[in-house]
Amino acid sequence: GAGVSQSPSNKVTEKGKDVELRCDPISGHTALYWYRQSLGQGLEFLIYFQGNSAPDKSGLPSDRFSAERTGGSVSTLTIQRTQQEDSAVYLCASSLEPEGSLYEQYFGPGTRLTVT
Amino acid sequence: LAKTTQPISMDSYEGQEVNITCSHNNIATNDYITWYQQFPSQGPRFIIQGYKTKVTNEVASLFIPADRKSSTLSLPRVSLSDTAVYYCLLPNYGGSQGNLIFGKGTKLSVKP
Repeated sequence: GAGVSQSPSNKVTEKGKDVELRCDPISGHTALYWYRQSLGQGLEFLIYFQGNSAPDKSGLPSDRFSAERTGGSVSTLTIQRTQQEDSAVYLCASSLEPEGSLYEQYFGPGTRLTVT
Repeated sequence: LAKTTQPISMDSYEGQEVNITCSHNNIATNDYITWYQQFPSQGPRFIIQGYKTKVTNEVASLFIPADRKSSTLSLPRVSLSDTAVYYCLLPNYGGSQGNLIFGKGTKLSVKP
């Protein structure tokens, strides 16, 4: 079946502009995650959506970052007034509803954001 | 706050067994330990998950001692295609289940 998809695959924007990154999770997956990966670094958690619960936004680095998940499916990560330090690969993942601490995330290919 | 420590890099040769150890001294009672693999320009991929003792699947084995303060991912007879970064994953203790802590990752290089 179809995996997690993300668009665009690459985005180049000028400093100060707003960008929107899209994630289509696997059908039926109730949990959705956003991460950021800077060049040569590990993954940095950004935000987590689980069903109808309030999202865990504790990883968002500043108020310029926001994310929505409409209808429990597609999610959009918005970065306002982009800065050069926002340049990174933004990864989305989805999973079935976790049982206790048991979960398996399926990752998309990522969106490479370059802020010039 | 659950944290993990892994070696930054490891080298191996084709056909050898590779063991990557992750330290997690503050693991919570209910936490599972999960390992992911990441190839360049791709998102991470689930390898294996465990709670205690030993778990084995078609790809790897995971050894967890009784105190659960560490875990070891074992890759039997590695090939060149196993060259990747391997992450040890625990939930962020005190956060939601989805607030996850990826270790720094271990970059495994398999040579011919």
